[in-house]
Amino acid sequence: GAVVSQHPSWVICKSGTSVKIECRSLDFQATTMFWYRQFPKQSLMLMATSNEGSKATYEQGVEKDKFLINHASLTLSTLTVTSAHPEDSSFYICSARLEPTLPEQYFGPGTRLTVT
Amino acid sequence: GQQLNQSPQSMFIQEGEDVSMNCTSSSIFNTWLWYKQDPGEGPVLLIALYKAGELTSNGRLTAQFGITRKDSFLNISASIPSDVGIYFCAGPDRGSTLGRLYFGRGTQLTVWP
Repeated sequence: GAVVSQHPSWVICKSGTSVKIECRSLDFQATTMFWYRQFPKQSLMLMATSNEGSKATYEQGVEKDKFLINHASLTLSTLTVTSAHPEDSSFYICSARLEPTLPEQYFGPGTRLTVT
Repeated sequence: GQQLNQSPQSMFIQEGEDVSMNCTSSSIFNTWLWYKQDPGEGPVLLIALYKAGELTSNGRLTAQFGITRKDSFLNISASIPSDVGIYFCAGPDRGSTLGRLYFGRGTQLTVWP
């Protein structure tokens, strides 16, 4: 149980275009999902918390107009990087909690974004 | 935000050796989580600890919740090459209603055959 998938696993896009990353909880429902960004040899940096049916909560310093998050169902959250630039190139990972009352987060396999 | 100090930053060991790493905080935590991340993959939950003093095992892995609630330890016995990866400790933000986690900077483990 607690399987989280992400699609695509990697994507290359041109500067100025938008890219959508999907995060799905495959065998459970998740009212809350989390989006992280990770640079090489660094820890995970929380970008935003995605809540089903409501607006996402963004961490300080994260541009909400650039990183659009939609949590339209209990099993799907999407992150859209708008007008991507090379500095947006990174490893993006989502996670979800199996139980709302427990702190454990289960992570997807990550999406490698390269902006050329 | 809360800082989790994880050490050592990296370890280079020979196959068969035991490994020990720890995580400390200036504030208390009610839960400690240990994750392992393989290269190019998302972190995988190894062990969750819920009580001060708790000792929990998962195969060759053993983790302990410090009695002060400000630290936790992870031990790996008889290491094998597939233990290679980054190990992160994490704890929940007690001030967050959204379930935010704080993460340590990770311990990079390299195992030589």
